[in-house]
Amino acid sequence: QQPVQSPQAVILREGEDAVINCSSSKALYSVHWYRQKHGEAPVFLMILLKGGEQKGHEKISASFNEKKQQSSLYLTASQLSYSGTYFCGTERNAGGTSYGKLTFGQGTILTVHP
Amino acid sequence: DSGVTQTPKHLITATGQRVTLRCSPRSGDLSVYWYQQSLDQGLQFLIQYYNGEERAKGNILERFSAQQFPDLHSELNLSSLELGDSALYFCASSLGQFVNTGELFFGEGSRLTVL
Repeated sequence: QQPVQSPQAVILREGEDAVINCSSSKALYSVHWYRQKHGEAPVFLMILLKGGEQKGHEKISASFNEKKQQSSLYLTASQLSYSGTYFCGTERNAGGTSYGKLTFGQGTILTVHP
Repeated sequence: DSGVTQTPKHLITATGQRVTLRCSPRSGDLSVYWYQQSLDQGLQFLIQYYNGEERAKGNILERFSAQQFPDLHSELNLSSLELGDSALYFCASSLGQFVNTGELFFGEGSRLTVL
């Protein structure tokens, strides 16, 4: 089951903040975030494993609400280099263990203008 | 540079043909994943191998097959190609067998165009 990301696209000015959401209809074991710049391979940002866990990576952080099967990616004080497509990947929870498959959402296109 | 090598970078072929995509994982990584990326489907998980054995299977068509060799490189075979198979095929690698134990390192992809 592919997770659903929202919004589909975001346009920002440098220095503005953004939130990208990822939700699943199934219980999740982990959530992964990747960024892909145009014409390049996806690059890892972070993994979240526990309910309510929040992780940070420079000015990019994320939360994972295990009960709601949702994750949010927070980008603060955006920079031009943040432009790209952000993918969340979800790993389903099978009674406390993993199904072993990382399924990606459709992606959110983030554009940061000067 | 992720350390994952994919060949060929570009491939143009005709419907009905068969192609093989090759992936060399990062040194030391035992898992190899194959993903298909098309405009309308996003990143679709195809299959994962860990140390030569199939570990997880996604939406891989019966016309597609993959394997991982003793030297850990992997090949994705696509046969009876259709126009809809045109896509960017990514290979990724990781150290462990469980996808949640670490990041995936993606190669630059093989762009397949079926005419």
